[in-house]
Order: sequence, then C-alpha cells, then structure tokens
Amino acid sequence: ELKVEQNPLFLSMQEGKNYTIYCNYSTTSDRLYWYRQDPGKSLESLFVLLSNGAVKQEGRLMASLDTKARLSTLHITAAVHDLSATYFCAVDIGSSGSRLTFGEGTQLTVNP
Amino acid sequence: DSGVTQTPKHLITATGQRVTLRCSPRSGDLSVYWYQQSLDQGLQFLIQYYNGEERAKGNILERFSAQQFPDLHSELNLSSLELGDSALYFCASTSRDPPYEQYFGPGTRLTVT
Repeated sequence: ELKVEQNPLFLSMQEGKNYTIYCNYSTTSDRLYWYRQDPGKSLESLFVLLSNGAVKQEGRLMASLDTKARLSTLHITAAVHDLSATYFCAVDIGSSGSRLTFGEGTQLTVNP
Repeated sequence: DSGVTQTPKHLITATGQRVTLRCSPRSGDLSVYWYQQSLDQGLQFLIQYYNGEERAKGNILERFSAQQFPDLHSELNLSSLELGDSALYFCASTSRDPPYEQYFGPGTRLTVT
C-alpha cells in the first residue's frame, strides 16, 4: 500500500525566513503533485513534477523531486503572510493519470 | 476557477438520510474522481469513473455509490448517513493528455446532525 508522509505537519515561521517541507513516499512513482488549500476551500494546484530531478519554481515556492530517494521538497523563500495555508503533496502511481494518494498536509502559518 | 463544478456547496441533513452530490468535470475531460476530506482520515480517494465506466475504487463505504452519466457529469450517492460521514467531498477531473493533472472542484460540505 502506498504511503505518503509529510513533515513537518505544522510550521510556524516569521516573514522573511526560509523553510522546507518534505514529502516521502513508499512506492516508485514518477508523478508528484503539490497543492495548496486555504481553510474551507478547494485544492489549488501548485506544481506537477514528472521526472527525477525535476525542479519547478513559482514566486517564493520551489519544488523538486528525487525519485530514487522517493522524496520531494517544497522550499519557501522569504515567506510572506499570504503563503499561510495547508500544503499537500500527492503521488500518482498510474501511467496516464490515476487516483492520488495524499500526504497528511503541512499547515503553514507565516507571522508578521 | 478550475472549471470543475460541484453542487450543492453545503448540505445539512440528519442521520439515516440519503443525499446526492453532483459534479461536472472540465469541458473535454473524461475522468472524474471523488475524494473525501475529514479531520480523522485526511484526504481519501473514494472512486474514479472514466467515460461512464467505473475505473478504480478506494476506501468507499458500501452505503456510498456513484455513477457517471453520458454527458460525463457524475453523482455520488450517500445513504444511511452517520455522523462520521460529515466531511468535505471533492470531485476532480483529469486532462486527457500529459501531465494528466487533476483539477479539483470547490467541494460540497456535508454536515450530518
């Protein structure tokens, strides 16, 4: 059974600081997603990582994938309050799109 | 806006009742996925349909059923509701071409009292 683990589960950080969220998964996969969720809202797609060594950046967020280590990271640079949300990684082990298995989520709070 | 629509946004009902949640995928997408999000279980995959046929099943209770219609909209039926069924229910659809990204609808918040 595929397991996806995120850490930390809760992260409180100050504006301007950097931090990394880790996502480990237990089964070979070449497709990993990062989503953002605001309280009571839907899941917003941030990144799709499709191959070993993939790195994508959008604003203050950068995601990477190491399929050999079964590890993805979401790095936050110079955090701002607007980044406060819950971040989920999800793994898809199908070849052409299939069910997603989600991590527990990391609840990020950025304090002024 | 992802292009996936869900109705209703909120639903409050009593234990033992039956409800139907509706989802329309993005235009052109053939796959529909249903997920449940609760505090206890996190985000869990329930069931997937592709072009009208059931493709995969996850942790879906026997009291729950779903179908996808010829116009590709999908319905999730929840019956004999229990307090523990209170959750956010999301529908997602996937593009036909790589990278097969899943786009999530706004969700239906179900409260069972």
